[in-house]
Amino acid sequence: NAGVTQTPKFQVLKTGQSMTLQCAQDMNHNSMYWYRQDPGMGLRLIYYSASEGTTDKGEVPNGYNVSRLNKREFSLRLESAAPSQTSVYFCASRSSGGASEQFFGPGTRLTVL
Amino acid sequence: GQQLNQSPQSMFIQEGEDVSMNCTSSSIFNTWLWYKQDPGEGPVLLIALYKAGELTSNGRLTAQFGITRKDSFLNISASIPSDVGIYFCAGQRPDNTDKLIFGTGTRLQVFP
Repeated sequence: NAGVTQTPKFQVLKTGQSMTLQCAQDMNHNSMYWYRQDPGMGLRLIYYSASEGTTDKGEVPNGYNVSRLNKREFSLRLESAAPSQTSVYFCASRSSGGASEQFFGPGTRLTVL
Repeated sequence: GQQLNQSPQSMFIQEGEDVSMNCTSSSIFNTWLWYKQDPGEGPVLLIALYKAGELTSNGRLTAQFGITRKDSFLNISASIPSDVGIYFCAGQRPDNTDKLIFGTGTRLQVFP
Protein backbone atom coordinates (compact mmCIF):
# COMPACT_ATOMS: atom_id res chain seq x y z
CA ASN A 1 0.00 0.00 0.00
CA ALA A 2 1.29 3.46 -0.95
CA GLY A 3 -0.91 5.18 1.66
CA VAL A 4 -1.55 8.83 0.73
CA THR A 5 0.19 10.14 -2.38
CA GLN A 6 0.43 13.73 -3.59
CA THR A 7 1.52 15.31 -6.85
CA PRO A 8 3.44 17.38 -7.63
CA LYS A 9 6.11 17.46 -4.91
CA PHE A 10 7.27 20.97 -5.81
CA GLN A 11 5.69 23.77 -7.84
CA VAL A 12 6.52 27.37 -8.64
CA LEU A 13 3.74 29.61 -9.98
CA LYS A 14 3.47 33.21 -11.02
CA THR A 15 0.79 35.40 -9.45
CA GLY A 16 -2.52 34.81 -11.22
CA GLN A 17 -1.70 31.36 -12.57
CA SER A 18 -3.90 28.40 -11.71
CA MET A 19 -3.05 24.86 -10.75
CA THR A 20 -4.51 21.71 -9.23
CA LEU A 21 -2.87 19.69 -6.48
CA GLN A 22 -3.69 16.00 -6.65
CA CYS A 23 -4.16 13.59 -3.77
CA ALA A 24 -5.01 9.90 -3.74
CA GLN A 25 -5.30 7.27 -1.00
CA ASP A 26 -5.44 3.50 -1.29
CA MET A 27 -6.63 2.72 2.25
CA ASN A 28 -10.36 2.79 1.41
CA HIS A 29 -10.82 5.74 3.76
CA ASN A 30 -14.03 7.75 3.69
CA SER A 31 -12.72 11.14 4.82
CA MET A 32 -10.06 13.25 3.13
CA TYR A 33 -8.51 16.60 4.08
CA TRP A 34 -6.38 19.42 2.70
CA TYR A 35 -4.14 21.42 5.05
CA ARG A 36 -1.60 24.15 4.60
CA GLN A 37 1.46 24.50 6.80
CA ASP A 38 3.19 27.82 7.33
CA PRO A 39 6.14 28.49 9.66
CA GLY A 40 5.01 28.82 13.26
CA MET A 41 1.35 28.24 12.35
CA GLY A 42 1.06 24.49 12.54
CA LEU A 43 -1.45 22.80 10.24
CA ARG A 44 -4.55 24.70 9.17
CA LEU A 45 -7.49 22.99 7.52
CA ILE A 46 -8.48 24.34 4.10
CA TYR A 47 -11.26 21.94 3.04
CA TYR A 48 -12.34 18.46 3.88
CA SER A 49 -14.60 15.74 2.54
CA ALA A 50 -16.28 13.54 5.12
CA SER A 51 -17.47 11.12 2.47
CA GLU A 52 -17.59 10.72 -1.28
CA GLY A 53 -19.84 13.42 -2.76
CA THR A 54 -19.50 15.91 0.10
CA THR A 55 -17.08 18.74 0.77
CA ASP A 56 -16.93 21.34 3.55
CA LYS A 57 -14.91 24.44 4.29
CA GLY A 58 -12.26 24.39 6.93
CA GLU A 59 -10.49 27.22 8.69
CA VAL A 60 -8.85 28.91 5.66
CA PRO A 61 -10.88 28.13 2.47
CA ASN A 62 -10.62 31.48 0.66
CA GLY A 63 -8.84 31.26 -2.69
CA TYR A 64 -9.25 27.48 -2.96
CA ASN A 65 -11.69 24.98 -4.43
CA VAL A 66 -11.82 21.22 -4.02
CA SER A 67 -13.23 18.23 -5.83
CA ARG A 68 -13.83 14.78 -4.37
CA LEU A 69 -13.49 12.94 -7.65
CA ASN A 70 -14.22 9.51 -6.17
CA LYS A 71 -13.51 7.71 -2.91
CA ARG A 72 -9.77 7.60 -3.63
CA GLU A 73 -9.07 11.09 -4.96
CA PHE A 74 -9.43 14.60 -3.55
CA SER A 75 -7.98 17.54 -5.49
CA LEU A 76 -7.26 21.13 -4.44
CA ARG A 77 -7.42 23.92 -7.01
CA LEU A 78 -5.97 27.40 -6.89
CA GLU A 79 -7.80 29.44 -9.52
CA SER A 80 -5.65 32.56 -9.34
CA ALA A 81 -2.57 32.04 -7.21
CA ALA A 82 -1.37 34.77 -4.84
CA PRO A 83 1.94 35.10 -2.97
CA SER A 84 0.02 34.55 0.29
CA GLN A 85 -0.65 31.01 -0.90
CA THR A 86 3.03 30.13 -0.79
CA SER A 87 3.02 27.23 1.63
CA VAL A 88 3.41 23.51 2.06
CA TYR A 89 0.16 21.65 1.33
CA PHE A 90 -0.67 18.33 2.92
CA CYS A 91 -3.43 15.91 2.08
CA ALA A 92 -4.68 13.45 4.72
CA SER A 93 -7.24 10.69 4.96
CA ARG A 94 -9.18 9.01 7.77
CA SER A 95 -11.29 5.90 7.99
CA SER A 96 -14.91 6.09 9.11
CA GLY A 97 -16.47 5.14 12.39
CA GLY A 98 -14.78 5.91 15.67
CA ALA A 99 -11.24 6.17 14.35
CA SER A 100 -9.80 9.67 14.65
CA GLU A 101 -6.35 9.06 13.22
CA GLN A 102 -5.52 10.96 10.05
CA PHE A 103 -2.75 9.75 7.76
CA PHE A 104 -0.77 12.30 5.80
CA GLY A 105 0.83 12.46 2.39
CA PRO A 106 4.38 13.75 1.78
CA GLY A 107 3.27 17.28 0.89
CA THR A 108 3.48 19.71 -2.03
CA ARG A 109 5.79 22.68 -1.66
CA LEU A 110 4.26 25.61 -3.54
CA THR A 111 5.90 28.96 -4.19
CA VAL A 112 3.94 31.80 -5.77
CA LEU A 113 6.07 34.62 -7.14
CA GLY B 1 -9.65 29.31 14.23
CA GLN B 2 -8.80 27.39 17.34
CA GLN B 3 -5.32 25.99 17.77
CA LEU B 4 -3.96 24.13 20.71
CA ASN B 5 -1.33 25.67 22.97
CA GLN B 6 1.75 23.53 22.65
CA SER B 7 4.93 24.03 24.67
CA PRO B 8 7.76 24.42 24.53
CA GLN B 9 8.09 25.88 21.03
CA SER B 10 11.58 24.45 20.68
CA MET B 11 14.02 22.34 22.62
CA PHE B 12 17.75 21.81 22.28
CA ILE B 13 18.94 18.79 24.20
CA GLN B 14 21.86 16.42 24.40
CA GLU B 15 21.64 12.84 23.24
CA GLY B 16 20.52 10.59 26.09
CA GLU B 17 18.39 13.20 27.83
CA ASP B 18 14.67 12.80 28.44
CA VAL B 19 12.20 15.19 26.82
CA SER B 20 8.75 16.40 27.89
CA MET B 21 6.26 18.48 25.96
CA ASN B 22 2.60 19.25 26.45
CA CYS B 23 -0.54 20.53 24.83
CA THR B 24 -3.39 22.41 26.48
CA SER B 25 -6.83 23.56 25.43
CA SER B 26 -9.63 25.66 26.85
CA SER B 27 -12.19 23.06 25.74
CA ILE B 28 -12.40 19.34 26.27
CA PHE B 29 -11.37 16.71 23.73
CA ASN B 30 -12.36 13.09 23.35
CA THR B 31 -9.21 12.12 21.45
CA TRP B 32 -5.58 13.23 21.59
CA LEU B 33 -3.03 12.34 18.92
CA TRP B 34 0.70 12.93 18.72
CA TYR B 35 2.50 13.24 15.38
CA LYS B 36 6.14 13.65 14.37
CA GLN B 37 7.24 15.47 11.24
CA ASP B 38 10.70 14.93 9.80
CA PRO B 39 12.17 17.70 7.62
CA GLY B 40 10.58 17.70 4.17
CA GLU B 41 8.04 15.00 5.06
CA GLY B 42 4.44 14.76 6.14
CA PRO B 43 3.42 14.18 9.79
CA VAL B 44 3.51 10.58 10.97
CA LEU B 45 1.24 9.33 13.74
CA LEU B 46 3.09 8.28 16.91
CA ILE B 47 0.43 7.68 19.55
CA ALA B 48 -3.37 7.90 19.80
CA LEU B 49 -5.20 8.38 23.13
CA TYR B 50 -8.94 7.85 23.54
CA LYS B 51 -9.68 7.89 27.26
CA ALA B 52 -9.09 10.43 30.03
CA GLY B 53 -6.17 9.33 32.19
CA GLU B 54 -4.91 6.89 29.55
CA LEU B 55 -1.16 6.34 29.44
CA THR B 56 0.20 4.77 26.24
CA SER B 57 3.73 3.90 25.18
CA ASN B 58 5.35 3.39 21.80
CA GLY B 59 8.96 2.36 22.35
CA ARG B 60 10.75 5.24 24.07
CA LEU B 61 7.69 7.47 23.69
CA THR B 62 4.98 7.75 26.33
CA ALA B 63 1.89 9.93 26.06
CA GLN B 64 -0.90 10.67 28.50
CA PHE B 65 -4.46 11.91 28.10
CA GLY B 66 -5.01 14.43 30.90
CA ILE B 67 -7.79 13.66 33.37
CA THR B 68 -9.41 17.05 32.76
CA ARG B 69 -9.59 16.13 29.04
CA LYS B 70 -8.06 19.53 28.29
CA ASP B 71 -4.43 18.52 28.03
CA SER B 72 -1.99 15.85 26.92
CA PHE B 73 1.69 15.14 27.48
CA LEU B 74 4.39 13.44 25.45
CA ASN B 75 7.63 12.16 26.94
CA ILE B 76 10.64 10.83 25.04
CA SER B 77 13.18 8.90 27.06
CA ALA B 78 16.89 8.58 26.28
CA SER B 79 16.77 10.77 23.17
CA ILE B 80 18.77 9.84 20.07
CA PRO B 81 19.70 11.91 17.00
CA SER B 82 16.84 10.50 14.89
CA ASP B 83 14.34 12.02 17.35
CA VAL B 84 15.04 15.37 15.66
CA GLY B 85 11.92 16.86 14.09
CA ILE B 86 8.73 18.73 14.89
CA TYR B 87 6.21 17.11 17.22
CA PHE B 88 2.55 18.06 16.90
CA CYS B 89 -0.35 17.35 19.17
CA ALA B 90 -3.85 17.14 17.72
CA GLY B 91 -7.22 16.88 19.40
CA GLN B 92 -10.69 15.90 18.36
CA ARG B 93 -13.61 17.69 19.97
CA PRO B 94 -16.73 15.74 20.98
CA ASP B 95 -18.97 18.10 18.97
CA ASN B 96 -17.06 17.67 15.70
CA THR B 97 -15.61 14.25 15.07
CA ASP B 98 -14.77 14.98 11.43
CA LYS B 99 -11.92 17.35 12.18
CA LEU B 100 -8.71 17.58 14.19
CA ILE B 101 -7.32 20.71 15.81
CA PHE B 102 -3.54 20.93 15.75
CA GLY B 103 -0.98 22.45 18.06
CA THR B 104 1.69 24.77 16.69
CA GLY B 105 4.42 22.19 17.19
CA THR B 106 7.54 21.62 19.30
CA ARG B 107 10.80 21.65 17.34
CA LEU B 108 13.31 19.20 18.85
CA GLN B 109 17.05 19.33 18.23
CA VAL B 110 19.29 16.60 19.64
CA PHE B 111 23.04 17.16 19.89
CA PRO B 112 25.46 14.22 20.11
